Amino acid sequence: TQLLEQSPQFLSIQEGENLTVYCNSSSVFSSLQWYRQEPGEGPVLLVTVVTGGEVKKLKRLTFQFGDARKDSSLHITAAQPGDTGLYLCAGARGNTPLVFGKGTRLSVIA
Amino acid sequence: DTGVSQDPRHKITKRGQNVTFRCDPISEHNRLYWYRQTLGQGPEFLTYFQNEAQLEKSRLLSDRFSAERPKGSFSTLEIQRTEQGDSAMYLCASSPGRLGYYGELFFGEGSRLTVL
Repeated sequence: TQLLEQSPQFLSIQEGENLTVYCNSSSVFSSLQWYRQEPGEGPVLLVTVVTGGEVKKLKRLTFQFGDARKDSSLHITAAQPGDTGLYLCAGARGNTPLVFGKGTRLSVIA
Repeated sequence: DTGVSQDPRHKITKRGQNVTFRCDPISEHNRLYWYRQTLGQGPEFLTYFQNEAQLEKSRLLSDRFSAERPKGSFSTLEIQRTEQGDSAMYLCASSPGRLGYYGELFFGEGSRLTVL
């Protein structure tokens, strides 16, 4: 059983389009993180959300943590080819190691 | 470069051989993690260290796997008698592990293992 479910699994869009990807769980997390991973590289942290209902913006990326701290979304405005990659969400519960979802593979076509 | 470094980046080996990966964390980080990632999956936790103490091991870490972190600095992950199912990207990450730090991980570039 996957603790964190990410959807969609794959997404291919045209440059300039908007998109939202989701990270859902039945468990409560103390914090939730989003990472981006490019082929052959390790994941790179984008953002951490901690408070239920929290919204954080990073340029064209908007991250939201659900009120119950069980889910999160990532919205990208006007996607660019440089946004292409694997987007991973990861949940933290106390001192236990981070648990990752399977990721959403995004391809932005010029 | 003061990030997490891993060596080697790529390793091709024959089934049954032993392999060892090394990870050098960010110098001031006292926590070090090993994850494994296969195609189409997110990283899966293997084990982690707080300084030199190995605090947790996943059930994924069979008795063919061993990890060490002597002196609380670099770490090694050894796989004995490799099997084709061990083919994966082995990711090392470190974190400060201090109070108020929400568990964010700083990953290395990974060591890709191919077992023929």
